[in-house]
Amino acid sequence: DGGITQSPKYLFRKEGQNVTLSCEQNLNHDAMYWYRQDPGQGLRLIYYSQIVNDFQKGDIAEGYSVSREKKESFPLTVTSAQKNPTAFYLCASSRQGNIGKETQYFGPGTRLLVL
Amino acid sequence: GQQVMQIPQYQHVQEGEDFTTYCNSSTTLSNIQWYKQRPGGHPVFLIQLVKSGEVKKQKRLTFQFGEAKKNSSLHITATQTTDVGTYFCAGPGGYQKVTFGTGTKLQVIP
Repeated sequence: DGGITQSPKYLFRKEGQNVTLSCEQNLNHDAMYWYRQDPGQGLRLIYYSQIVNDFQKGDIAEGYSVSREKKESFPLTVTSAQKNPTAFYLCASSRQGNIGKETQYFGPGTRLLVL
Repeated sequence: GQQVMQIPQYQHVQEGEDFTTYCNSSTTLSNIQWYKQRPGGHPVFLIQLVKSGEVKKQKRLTFQFGEAKKNSSLHITATQTTDVGTYFCAGPGGYQKVTFGTGTKLQVIP
């Protein structure tokens, strides 16, 4: 069954702690994305990757880091430098090609809460 | 940078009434996509429009791309409770990335 999985569904972070959100896809997509969604708001792009071992900052990359060591995986680390991390985090993937014209497939999301 | 605004931000309708959301870009778009996010869920792709003035229909949903390719609309005829959710438009937002609109949250009152 093809798709995108994200884990965990809920994540709690303590002050000063780094946490890593998992995103895995078996759609054989080259491009992967991380978005942040605040309550009642739209989606804001954090990081994106078009190919393994390469990624670019999105609009709100400060306080976040990513890696793309495998095509299937694009983990996001929320560092202690991110002062307001409470949000709904969505991972997405799409075929390579002309990004912006390819359909994005989203995972179920991870809700991050700060204790 | 590019901005994609949607209006209205919220809309409450009685079941059976029609609903329209409008998407406006500060720049010309090569294409526009529409997504739906159910409450507590994740965005799901609905459709893509590419041509100037293009109109596409999916059952009760009608999507339109403006002649100048800077605006788009989604119209739902005779809303049902299953239409509840937030509708986002999205367009190319610079080098190899997508910019999502601010979204319109639809509530349908049975």
